[in-house]
Amino acid sequence: DAGVIQSPRHEVTEMGQEVTLRCKPISGHDYLFWYRQTMMRGLELLIYFNNNVPIDDSGMPEDRFSAKMPNASFSTLKIQPSEPRDSAVYFCASREGTVRQPQHFGDGTRLSIL
Amino acid sequence: AQSVTQPDIHITVSEGASLELRCNYSYGATPYLFWYVQSPGQGLQLLLKYFSGDTLVQGIKGFEAEFKRSQSSFNLRKPSVHWSDAAEYFCALYSGNTPLVFGKGTRLSVIA
Repeated sequence: DAGVIQSPRHEVTEMGQEVTLRCKPISGHDYLFWYRQTMMRGLELLIYFNNNVPIDDSGMPEDRFSAKMPNASFSTLKIQPSEPRDSAVYFCASREGTVRQPQHFGDGTRLSIL
Repeated sequence: AQSVTQPDIHITVSEGASLELRCNYSYGATPYLFWYVQSPGQGLQLLLKYFSGDTLVQGIKGFEAEFKRSQSSFNLRKPSVHWSDAAEYFCALYSGNTPLVFGKGTRLSVIA
């Protein structure tokens, strides 16, 4: 049973470049979450979707960040333009719609903006 | 508002020693509680969960946790720690509003 799949695992790019992170949730899961993890701020929820619809994006730091979920099996988190302070590990997680189900996490994308 | 507090940022234990990681929550009703583990370079993996019933729950890798309503706690325990248990541990609360509320995490170091 495949878990949550994220790509790329590592991304190094220069400041000002566009960055796109990808996530494939577990098949059948209704919820998808994007998190950012840093040493300073810990694990932060950026945005989450239910049935491909964004429900809460209040955690998105600024307009440079955007997320989409065009279908039930794919989501992207885009940063444009990127800045050094965006360097972090970005996690995607998914969950079944049934109450009391745990969130399943991908292995994350380690993003470094130079 | 719901919240999860993990009072210990970093704990060091000797291999073979027992372990207890603390977790306190704030929520007005019966919570659904989880413990996750994050090994270096990996995502969060579910260790165990509590929904209702028996207040002592067993998880993977020999971990257990006890829910104590009177203390608003859900502490994680393991009787004998292995070096491979070195990781970051997160307590999380599901209150009925998606998504999970996570604590800040406790980093566990294991020494020989």
